[in-house]
Amino acid sequence: KQEVTQIPAALSVPEGENLVLNCSFTDSAIYNLQWFRQDPGKGLTSLLLIQSSQREQTSGRLNASLDKSSGRSTLYIAASQPGDSATYLCAVRGRDDKIIFGKGTRLHILP
Amino acid sequence: GAVVSQHPSWVICKSGTSVKIECRSLDFQATTMFWYRQFPKQSLMLMATSNEGSKATYEQGVEKDKFLINHASLTLSTLTVTSAHPEDSSFYICSATTPPTGARNEKLFFGSGTQLSVL
Repeated sequence: KQEVTQIPAALSVPEGENLVLNCSFTDSAIYNLQWFRQDPGKGLTSLLLIQSSQREQTSGRLNASLDKSSGRSTLYIAASQPGDSATYLCAVRGRDDKIIFGKGTRLHILP
Repeated sequence: GAVVSQHPSWVICKSGTSVKIECRSLDFQATTMFWYRQFPKQSLMLMATSNEGSKATYEQGVEKDKFLINHASLTLSTLTVTSAHPEDSSFYICSATTPPTGARNEKLFFGSGTQLSVL
């Protein structure tokens, strides 16, 4: 049974710092991994999608990497801004087509 | 990008009443939509997969008669919480994938969610 873990559960950093969020999964047989952002009481916004054959994806200040063999992904946020404050979720799509989410990392950027 | 609209954003109801939540794909046709439930500070838990023109596929432990799902058209899926009770209070979110459905490289797009509070 696939399990997705996100560490840390919460993170506070000063504005301007670069930071890394971690996601690990127990079953490496996945189709893809997707990072989302969720603001309080809101739905999810897709940030980056990495296919199983890819190593990384970039969008603006965001860079996501995938090491499928070790069951890990990281989301790198450069030059953090207060507007980046949100909960970040990763989700993996397994061979059974089920999409499993981690519990998320609550990020707070200090102005 | 693809837009998924969910309505209402929040609802408060008395115990025993039924509540309907709508999920619409605004600029694409979604043959498959997904319904999730999220408790505070917890992850999303898939409740069911909604298939246009056929019965929904429910995850283990989700009561089919409690959570009625209808996917009558390619752009609309509804979730009805029947005879709601306080323990049904939660954040419900729908999602859809852009065509071609079934392609495993497709992105998930989410509605804005519905906060249900049952008194």
